[in-house]
Amino acid sequence: AQSVSQHNHHVILSEAASLELGCNYSYGGTVNLFWYVQYPGQHLQLLLKYFSGDPLVKGIKGFEAEFIKSKFSFNLRKPSVQWSDTAEYFCAVNPSGAGSYQLTFGKGTKLSVIP
Amino acid sequence: NAGVTQTPKFQVLKTGQSMTLQCAQDMNHEYMSWYRQDPGMGLRLIHYSVGAGITDQGEVPNGYNVSRSTTEDFPLRLLSAAPSQTSVYFCASRGPTGYYGYTFGSGTRLTVV
Repeated sequence: AQSVSQHNHHVILSEAASLELGCNYSYGGTVNLFWYVQYPGQHLQLLLKYFSGDPLVKGIKGFEAEFIKSKFSFNLRKPSVQWSDTAEYFCAVNPSGAGSYQLTFGKGTKLSVIP
Repeated sequence: NAGVTQTPKFQVLKTGQSMTLQCAQDMNHEYMSWYRQDPGMGLRLIHYSVGAGITDQGEVPNGYNVSRSTTEDFPLRLLSAAPSQTSVYFCASRGPTGYYGYTFGSGTRLTVV
């Protein structure tokens, strides 16, 4: 079974600082990778996803992530955070291939951006 | 609007009571699932379904039942609520390839006293 590890439980940044949130997964085959964001009191929204092709993927709100297969990593980055990025961020993995549906989440990283 | 609809949004139960959390989607997605979210634990899969009449257990199935009689609906039943089931519950669905990601409902916040 697959698993996901997110390195940081809580990250505190000042506005305009750069962000990098770590995510590593464990699975023996090919995977689809996701980052979701959850703003306070809201449901999960898809930030970006990787299925195949260019390992550097761009998502909404200026976020991007890089898939490094050799490191089993899918780190999330943003060059300059804003107060409105305060949220919890979840990395998730789904084994690719027909009939593979289960989405497994990491425990999340809470981001607090100080104005 | 197309999406996943969960009801109710909030619920308080007494220990031992039963209830059903409703989930409906109008995107003709074959895959539907239930997660619970607890602080510091992320989202954990309770049960999932890959089509009408087909269900299976996830990581934390104990205390919960599901059924899938139609493509649209995937209710989650708590047979005898316990305080350990206090959580936020999310329903999610996905199409056949998953390329467009998983769509989540707005959640049900359940408190068992």
